[in-house]
Amino acid sequence: RKEVEQDPGPFNVPEGATVAFNCTYSNSASQSFFWYRQDCRKEPKLLMSVYSSGNEDGRFTAQLNRASQYISLLIRDSKLSDSATYLCVVNIVGSNDYKLSFGAGTTVTVRA
Amino acid sequence: DTGVSQDPRHKITKRGQNVTFRCDPISEHNRLYWYRQTLGQGPEFLTYFQNEAQLEKSRLLSDRFSAERPKGSFSTLEIQRTEQGDSAMYLCASSLQDPRDTDYEQYFGPGTRLTVT
Repeated sequence: RKEVEQDPGPFNVPEGATVAFNCTYSNSASQSFFWYRQDCRKEPKLLMSVYSSGNEDGRFTAQLNRASQYISLLIRDSKLSDSATYLCVVNIVGSNDYKLSFGAGTTVTVRA
Repeated sequence: DTGVSQDPRHKITKRGQNVTFRCDPISEHNRLYWYRQTLGQGPEFLTYFQNEAQLEKSRLLSDRFSAERPKGSFSTLEIQRTEQGDSAMYLCASSLQDPRDTDYEQYFGPGTRLTVT
């Protein structure tokens, strides 16, 4: 079983629409959670961290459900520039273990 | 540009040849990571360094792979006797690790795309 699983999509939405997607993680010891964004043939870049209480960053809202071990991302009023692959990322913080585990990504395409 | 840099950006090699990639992290960052990404997948962790010490290696890192960070600054990743299955994007990332933090950002370089023919 993969450590992080995501719906690969693609999600094709019109400009201005709301799009939401989830990911699940298998290791209950996971302590830090992130959404990264990756444009085609580019490197991943941090979009936002995900906190237990849920958090917003502009049009982006992230939620964490520890009991069910899933993370969600919601994009409101989507823009053409939001077209990208969104990577769900978890980190198990231990004495020496700071590696990130990535999902395979959810592809979002926003059309005019 | 003060971000993470990688060299070369693209490498085409024949099966059986050795290749070496370089990563220059953000200058004050003490942690450096190597990941591998294949088409349609997220990056997979390979190894990481804190300063010059290599602290963990993934089981993905076979004995044909070796990584070094001799002075705690730049790092090299060498693949010996390349195989077609080694074709992938090799990403380097760095971070400034504060033991008091559990929430931090890894900054990725542009990657080296390896094609083994």
